[in-house]
Amino acid sequence: QQQVKQSPQSLIVQKGGISIINCAYENTAFDYFPWYQQFPGKGPALLIAIRPDVSEKKEGRFTISFNKSAKQFSLHIMDSQPGDSATYFCAARGGSQGNLIFGKGTKLSVKP
Amino acid sequence: DGGITQSPKYLFRKEGQNVTLSCEQNLNHDAMYWYRQDPGQGLRLIYYSQIVNDFQKGDIAEGYSVSREKKESFPLTVTSAQKNPTAFYLCASSPVWDSYEQYFGPGTRLTVT
Repeated sequence: QQQVKQSPQSLIVQKGGISIINCAYENTAFDYFPWYQQFPGKGPALLIAIRPDVSEKKEGRFTISFNKSAKQFSLHIMDSQPGDSATYFCAARGGSQGNLIFGKGTKLSVKP
Repeated sequence: DGGITQSPKYLFRKEGQNVTLSCEQNLNHDAMYWYRQDPGQGLRLIYYSQIVNDFQKGDIAEGYSVSREKKESFPLTVTSAQKNPTAFYLCASSPVWDSYEQYFGPGTRLTVT
């Protein structure tokens, strides 16, 4: 109930391609769904976030698609660049302690 | 230059020793958090503090302790009771409790042998 399931665990994409990372949840009480980006040896940083009453949010090359009925959301990175190579975490706000629940992460490698 | 600092970046300890990881923020945030990151495990919440002089256990608090005597500081002690302490530890803060935007420090990699 409190989990956020993220897939795939790793992803290799060619430069210029589209990277797609998927997440699923069960708890309908979750009320915000942020994505975090983490470069090696660094702490994560907020990338983009969406509320469940919005179906899509776009910021530059990054888009979140949200399907409330399916309890799924995904991150799309358009025109992927080698500089996008990082680990991406989806998350949901509203855990049992009111905190963020993180997915297990997706390691993205963009090949030149 | 506002942000969160964690020190040291790398820490080595012998089994059976307690070790304290430092976390300081100058963002004037009320809430602070400690996470543990292991490969393929995501970020797991150890302890959190909604406000100074208060803290609560997270999902994996066993073998850890914290204090929050000052708003800007939230040190984490990894005790000898923690069965598998080798990990990457991340401290974070947010303006208020339950903000979806958390600001993370650069992390401390602890190795216990």
